[in-house]
Amino acid sequence: QKEVEQDPGPLSVPEGAIVSLNCTYSNSAFQYFMWYRQYSRKGPELLMYTYSSGNKEDGRFTAQVDKSSKYISLFIRDSQPSDSATYLCAMTPGRGKLQFGAGTQVVVTP
Amino acid sequence: GAVVSQHPSWVICKSGTSVKIECRSLDFQATTMFWYRQFPKQSLMLMATSNEGSKATYEQGVEKDKFLINHASLTLSTLTVTSAHPEDSSFYICSALDTRSSYNEQFFGPGTRLTVL
Repeated sequence: QKEVEQDPGPLSVPEGAIVSLNCTYSNSAFQYFMWYRQYSRKGPELLMYTYSSGNKEDGRFTAQVDKSSKYISLFIRDSQPSDSATYLCAMTPGRGKLQFGAGTQVVVTP
Repeated sequence: GAVVSQHPSWVICKSGTSVKIECRSLDFQATTMFWYRQFPKQSLMLMATSNEGSKATYEQGVEKDKFLINHASLTLSTLTVTSAHPEDSSFYICSALDTRSSYNEQFFGPGTRLTVL
């Protein structure tokens, strides 16, 4: 069993819809949770990070962490075609090595 | 955010040759850098952790004699793929750990696409 599970998609939504992404994990030691966006043939860029449980909002993006369920989510409101990318969740017990999910390919159609 | 560069961005080489990929942190010092490889439509797989001034730590299953890592300065780490073969063709991405951030954020380079003929 992988430490981090993420549905690879693809997930296709119409422009303006809410994109809902999630990951589950098995290692209860994970404390830091990140979401990265990766465009084709580019390196990942950090979108959101959350420490421990709770919600965090940044513009159109909301990240949620439920440590009791070992479940994290990313919501993208008012999705745009420019949001089309692969979204990777990542987590770490402390500082340093990240454990990535498989990545979910998102396609926002105009 | 901080900037990490990689060079070259893509390389094509013949089987049996060696290829060196550079990873630089441009506006911060990084005592720790990471090297990943990514196959099409797959996630990033950590290959090794590179520490300035000491030997790299390789993940299980990664051949240290094939993937040579040198972290000679606080802003530069290099990955050399020795005697490359077609199965080494992949997207190689580095990241640098920025200890100035509250949780030691990793900043990723743009990646290097290696094609071995």
